[in-house]
Amino acid sequence: QLVLTQSPSASASLGASVKLTCTLSSGHSNYAIAWHQQQPEKGPRYLMKLNSDGSHSKGDGIPDRFSGSTSGAERYLSISSLQSEDEADYYCQSWGTGIRVFGGGTKLTVL
Amino acid sequence: QVQLVESGGGLVKPGGSLRLSCAASGFTFSDYYMSWIRQAPGKGLEWVSYISSSGTNIYYADSVKGRFTISRDNAKNSLYLQMNSLRAEDTAVYYCAREASSGWYIFDYWGQGTLVTVSS
Repeated sequence: QLVLTQSPSASASLGASVKLTCTLSSGHSNYAIAWHQQQPEKGPRYLMKLNSDGSHSKGDGIPDRFSGSTSGAERYLSISSLQSEDEADYYCQSWGTGIRVFGGGTKLTVL
Repeated sequence: QVQLVESGGGLVKPGGSLRLSCAASGFTFSDYYMSWIRQAPGKGLEWVSYISSSGTNIYYADSVKGRFTISRDNAKNSLYLQMNSLRAEDTAVYYCAREASSGWYIFDYWGQGTLVTVSS
């Protein structure tokens, strides 16, 4: 079945760059996904949709520092010039007929 | 601008019922699929249920099937979640979310959430 796997945590320094990974389960490597951000004590916010060919489209007001890319079954979220407000949980999400699926989330710490 | 505002959360005893509402504005509600997603304290996001734009197609996560009922009133721009036989493990913040159009079943707008606590 469709499963999205994310590392539980990641960290990077202020001003640096980071790349978060979401891995699609076997047989689902051509699936598109979305990335969502959840800052502490806030509701989730949609960041972008990411296709299997690496093309992506961001949500309203999402800074250029955020970008997406793809390699095989892996979907990436890259954040450059890290700022303190980027410290958050990041979730990938995909879908099938009759189902919507989230990854377990990655907690990003900005050092 | 798109707005989704949930209401109806609160404290309920195990076995009890609660009805959540989500008021939508800023877009043509009847054109979009809608979902409920929940987040237990300290945990990740869990999809609960979705309903198609007309209300014809409805699906649930196995964890709530047979206990929760999703519905919508397109005339009132509102989404609902009727929750029956509530359990302690249903304790969570419940979010409504709009699903993007054009075959992308991703959540492009989220509400602020409403807290449901199931406890005796």
